[in-house]
Amino acid sequence: KAGVTQTPRYLIKTRGQQVTLSCSPISGHRSVSWYQQTPGQGLQFLFEYFSETQRNKGNFPGRFSGRQFSNSRSEMNVSTLELGDSALYLCASSLGGGSTYNEQFFGPGTRLTVL
Amino acid sequence: AQRVTQPEKLLSVFKGAPVELKCNYSYSGSPELFWYVQYSRQRLQLLLRHISRESIKGFTADLNKGETSFHLKKPFAQEEDSAMYYCALVPDSNYQLIWGAGTKLIIKP
Repeated sequence: KAGVTQTPRYLIKTRGQQVTLSCSPISGHRSVSWYQQTPGQGLQFLFEYFSETQRNKGNFPGRFSGRQFSNSRSEMNVSTLELGDSALYLCASSLGGGSTYNEQFFGPGTRLTVL
Repeated sequence: AQRVTQPEKLLSVFKGAPVELKCNYSYSGSPELFWYVQYSRQRLQLLLRHISRESIKGFTADLNKGETSFHLKKPFAQEEDSAMYYCALVPDSNYQLIWGAGTKLIIKP
């Protein structure tokens, strides 16, 4: 089974621009979660999508948004980029159904640098 | 507030020595606790979860609700254990992971 893939792997943008990151989950997985990883703040939860609906959201400003398509692929968008948005953005997929937590499988991440 | 604390940013032990990576959590309900590991140039991956009560790669972790801890232990460290270790919790009826800051484990030969 192919793992979680994220594109692009590296991205350089300038302040004020916007960016879209993509995540393709493992086949059959319906939940996709996004995390931001920085040296200062560590891993922080952004949001989680299940069956095209945002199910959970972390404490990030509205500049951070996402969506999920019918094939479970997900995109994350950051508008009006700030220097502090420079980070590794991780995507994780899981089966997502039921009332208990399912193991999340992580992608390699997208390294975003904002200049 | 829900919080996971890993007090050690870096832990360095000799090969063959016991290892204990500390994790304390703050949550009033019944969380699920996990340890994730990230080896050099590899993806973050699940090491173990408390409900499984299993040993993975020689590591075990016991949930102590009284002390709100979930320390990761291994009796004899191996060089291949060198990695970044993250403790995480999922609050009940929720699906997001709340992460600790991580501990970098270095096993010296």
